[in-house]
Amino acid sequence: KAGVTQTPRYLIKTRGQQVTLSCSPISGHRSVSWYQQTPGQGLQFLFEYFSETQRNKGNFPGRFSGRQFSNSRSEMNVSTLELGDSALYLCASSPQRYTGELFFGEGSRLTVL
Amino acid sequence: QKEVEQDPGPLSVPEGAIVSLNCTYSNSAFQYFMWYRQYSRKGPELLMYTYSSGNKEDGRFTAQVDKSSKYISLFIRDSQPSDSATYLCAIFMDSNYQLIWGAGTKLIIKP
Repeated sequence: KAGVTQTPRYLIKTRGQQVTLSCSPISGHRSVSWYQQTPGQGLQFLFEYFSETQRNKGNFPGRFSGRQFSNSRSEMNVSTLELGDSALYLCASSPQRYTGELFFGEGSRLTVL
Repeated sequence: QKEVEQDPGPLSVPEGAIVSLNCTYSNSAFQYFMWYRQYSRKGPELLMYTYSSGNKEDGRFTAQVDKSSKYISLFIRDSQPSDSATYLCAIFMDSNYQLIWGAGTKLIIKP
């Protein structure tokens, strides 16, 4: 069974630009959650999607948004990028609602210059 | 006070040693306790998942939960250089689908 796939793996943007990251969950998994990981803040929850609906949201500004499609694939978007948005963005899937038993992708490493 | 406290390390031990990794938490309502392992430049992977107090063993790994002390541990026996990674504890409460993460402990096993 294929794991969670995230694209792109690496990207460099400049301040003020926007970025879209993509996540394909494990086949049959319906819940997708997104995390930001930085050396200083650790793993921070962004949001969770289940059945195309955002079910939970972390404490991030409105510049961070996401969506889930009918095939459970998910995208997250960050608009008006800031230097502090440089991070590893991780997507995780689970068969049902967010249970703590998560299967992570390898992440998308975003560098903002 | 953070809801989950975990020493970031690094923790450096010689190959073959028994490793003890720990987290403390503050909310007694937390129900499920997980340990994830994260290698450099990879996403975390689930190692152990426990619900009740007591021990759960899987090969060289033992997860221990003490709900009365709000303390969880992961023990690694016969540690190998391939165990070098960051270990994150995570605690879950299903009443609000809240998953709280520790900061992660960087473990280094020296050959």
